[in-house]
Amino acid sequence: AQKVTQAQTEISVVEKEDVTLDCVYETRDTTYYLFWYKQPPSGELVFLIRRNSFDEQNEISGRYSWNFQKSTSSFNFTITASQVVDSAVYFCALSERSGGSNYKLTFGKGTLLTVNP
Amino acid sequence: DAGVTQSPTHLIKTRGQHVTLRCSPISGHKSVSWYQQVLGQGPQFIFQYYEKEERGRGNFPDRFSARQFPNYSSELNVNALLLGDSALYLCASSQRRAGDYPDTQYFGPGTRLTVL
Repeated sequence: AQKVTQAQTEISVVEKEDVTLDCVYETRDTTYYLFWYKQPPSGELVFLIRRNSFDEQNEISGRYSWNFQKSTSSFNFTITASQVVDSAVYFCALSERSGGSNYKLTFGKGTLLTVNP
Repeated sequence: DAGVTQSPTHLIKTRGQHVTLRCSPISGHKSVSWYQQVLGQGPQFIFQYYEKEERGRGNFPDRFSARQFPNYSSELNVNALLLGDSALYLCASSQRRAGDYPDTQYFGPGTRLTVL
C-alpha cells in the first residue's frame, strides 16, 4: 500500500523566515503523481501543485518552491519570506489507482504551519 | 467560475440517525470523490464516481453509500451514525479527461458532521 509521511506535525516561524515542509512517500508504482494542498482554518483544501514522477525539475511559483527527489522519495515544499497568511495545515498527497483508470489521493497527516508576526 | 459547492455546511445528528450530504462539482467536471477528514488527520478516501458509476471505494463500512446524478452532482449517505463518524466530509471534483493519469482534484469547503 502507498504511504505518505509528513514527520513535522507543527512548525512555528516568525514572519519573513523561510520554512521547509517535508514529505516522504512510498509507492511501488513506477509512474505516479504527487500533490500539495493547503488547508486554512476555513477547512477548504486549496490545490498548490501537482508533479509527476517523470519530471524531477524543481519548481518555483512566487514565494513557493518544491524540491522533488526521486532517489530519496521526497517532495519537499519551501515557503520563502513567510507571511502570516501562510498559516495553515499543509498536506502532501500521492495518487493511487482506485479502479481502472481512476485515481484517488493518499494524504499525509499534514503539517500545521504557524507564522507569527 | 464557481468552485465545488457542498451542503449543508454544518450538521448535528444523534447516534443511529441517517445523514445525506450533497456536492456540486465545478462546471465541466465529470468525476466526484468523497473524503472523510477526522480532526488532526489527513483526508481518507471514501468513494469516487464517474458517469454515475462507482469507480473506487475506500475502506469504509457498508453504512456509507453514494450516488452521482446525470448533472454530475453527488450525494453521500451514511446510515446508523456512530460517534466515530464525526468528521469533516470533503467532496472533490476533477475533469476526468481521457488518458490513464490522475487529474487534479479540486475540493469543496466540506460539511462538518457532529454525531452526539
